[in-house]
Amino acid sequence: AQSVTQLGSHVSVSEGALVLLRCNYSSSVPPYLFWYVQYPNQGLQLLLKYTSAATLVKGINGFEAEFKKSETSFHLTKPSAHMSDAAEYFCAVSGNAGNMLTFGGGTRLMVKP
Amino acid sequence: DGGITQSPKYLFRKEGQNVTLSCEQNLNHDAMYWYRQDPGQGLRLIYYSQIVNDFQKGDIAEGYSVSREKKESFPLTVTSAQKNPTAFYLCASSIAGVGNQPQHFGDGTRLSIL
Repeated sequence: AQSVTQLGSHVSVSEGALVLLRCNYSSSVPPYLFWYVQYPNQGLQLLLKYTSAATLVKGINGFEAEFKKSETSFHLTKPSAHMSDAAEYFCAVSGNAGNMLTFGGGTRLMVKP
Repeated sequence: DGGITQSPKYLFRKEGQNVTLSCEQNLNHDAMYWYRQDPGQGLRLIYYSQIVNDFQKGDIAEGYSVSREKKESFPLTVTSAQKNPTAFYLCASSIAGVGNQPQHFGDGTRLSIL
């Protein structure tokens, strides 16, 4: 069984500040982990994925995430927030037996000028 | 450009009416999925299909039906049995059976009740 918990349904940061979105997972098999971004009234776009290679994964738009097995975490970070980063972010996990995804509840990121 | 096309973008349903949401992909993916998204509840899986002519129920299949007659198409019917159909519906596709491959999403259909 798999599950994903995203701590904080809403996160607000100032433009230029560090972005940190938290994701903790539970999986009975070595996981594959994904972060997606969703802009209003649009589908989900893949930001980055962890597939058991490097534990620090770089994605699009300056985002990165670090896989920490001991903490069962895959937090998403960006050093400096832009107004265009305002969106909803979803963390998801899949097991190596297939490509079914389990999603977290999402975190809405708000960026203040 | 390869991708997933969902239509229509907005759809309205009358009481007692069935409506069908279209999902077409040209990514040559075997697996396709339908999700329902409600505010604050993330994505919930309705149905999925790993191969043509086969599909499986997800977590919230009641009141919905699907077909998979062609590899590129996976339409979702919201039946009159679905008493609370107002939601944002997302279709996705992926390479089948490989956990490290991401799902690719369409731009969604927003369904409302008249």
